[in-house]
Amino acid sequence: DIQMTQSPSSLSASVGDRVTITCRASQDIRNDLGWYQQKPGKAPKRLIFAASSLQSGVPSRFSGSGSGTEFTLTISSLQPEDFATYYCLQHNNYTPTFGQGTKVEIK
Amino acid sequence: EVQLVESGGGLVKPGGSLRLSCAASGFTFSGYTMNWVRQAPGMGLEWVSSINFDAGYTYYADSVKGRFTISRDNAKNSLFLQMNSLRSEDTAVYYCARGNGDYAYWGQGTLVTVSS
Repeated sequence: DIQMTQSPSSLSASVGDRVTITCRASQDIRNDLGWYQQKPGKAPKRLIFAASSLQSGVPSRFSGSGSGTEFTLTISSLQPEDFATYYCLQHNNYTPTFGQGTKVEIK
Repeated sequence: EVQLVESGGGLVKPGGSLRLSCAASGFTFSGYTMNWVRQAPGMGLEWVSSINFDAGYTYYADSVKGRFTISRDNAKNSLFLQMNSLRSEDTAVYYCARGNGDYAYWGQGTLVTVSS
């Protein structure tokens, strides 16, 4: 199985801060990676697909980059509604795997 | 509008069985791979199982292989998860999701609690 190592597991940030979350794959997954946001009690919401493509309707302050084994989700200017948990998901093979999640909290 | 609505969750004793359903609407159900993803209380997301568009291929996480069976009825736009030999560690919210590993659409989830 492909392992996804996501970091950090949590972070505290202020409104307006630039935030970066990283996922590292245990083997080359090309760009078969998405990023998801989840708020308490809600289903996850896709933000980014194919590593760097912005889901329709998602604010442009969200961006994704990377390929191969290193991937990054960046929030350029954190907004109050962005406080949530973020997950990466690789789908390079028939057994997709999620990262452990990053909880973004208010400083 | 794409909609996925799960049902069938509830309280079940260890060793028991439960069948989850996911009713799909707003898209051509028979054209998509469908999936189950779960989330234990306070924990992260875990992929459980996938089924391709015509049920010709099914895939399972090691944690559920041999106990869970995914199926679909394209005539009724429905996805199912038959869960047998349930364990306490299967307690989770179960989501259905559309897509081939890249999940643009999710249901709201149904809670399965395995407890005596």
